[in-house]
Amino acid sequence: AQSVTQPDIHITVSEGASLELRCNYSYGATPYLFWYVQSPGQGLQLLLKYFSGDTLVQGIKGFEAEFKRSQSSFNLRKPSVHWSDAAEYFCAVGFSGGGADGLTFGKGTHLIIQP
Amino acid sequence: DAGVIQSPRHEVTEMGQEVTLRCKPISGHNSLFWYRQTMMRGLELLIYFNNNVPIDDSGMPEDRFSAKMPNASFSTLKIQPSEPRDSAVYFCASSFGTADYGYTFGSGTRLTVV
Repeated sequence: AQSVTQPDIHITVSEGASLELRCNYSYGATPYLFWYVQSPGQGLQLLLKYFSGDTLVQGIKGFEAEFKRSQSSFNLRKPSVHWSDAAEYFCAVGFSGGGADGLTFGKGTHLIIQP
Repeated sequence: DAGVIQSPRHEVTEMGQEVTLRCKPISGHNSLFWYRQTMMRGLELLIYFNNNVPIDDSGMPEDRFSAKMPNASFSTLKIQPSEPRDSAVYFCASSFGTADYGYTFGSGTRLTVV
């Protein structure tokens, strides 16, 4: 069965430092890949998505992600984090129909920003 | 655009009571999804609709859960009777077509069953 793994439950990064959040998926074909961010008490906001084409995708708030087929990964990166980036980050995968039949989410990575 | 609107934001109810959660999707979106979020299980897809028709309800945990979408602008998720293990945050999301634009999530309903 398809699955999404976010191996890091918590990550602590100093403000201004670079960030990389990991995401791996298990599926036989190329999935549709998404990263969402959730602030406390809020819904999920789409950061970026990958469907096809250039494997490096740019998103909002200065985030980017790179799809690596050989590693079944879609890691999220940001060159310099800000205190406002502290939140829960979810990787999600749509396995058919462009995701129109629902997404499978990872368990999330809680990002803590140190001053 | 007001986004996906869910009500209520918080619900506290006693075990055995009926609970109804409501969702208004973004106008023009033709797919609607109900998700449940808990610490233990993360985000789980419960059911989704396409053009108001339920497509897949395999994620609905038990017969106590039911969902309807009587028209394109309204959906409900009902739990009857409610149990403490139903306590979670329930999210509604909507999208257009094949989710090329991503899903738009509501702010969620935090349900506590005591």
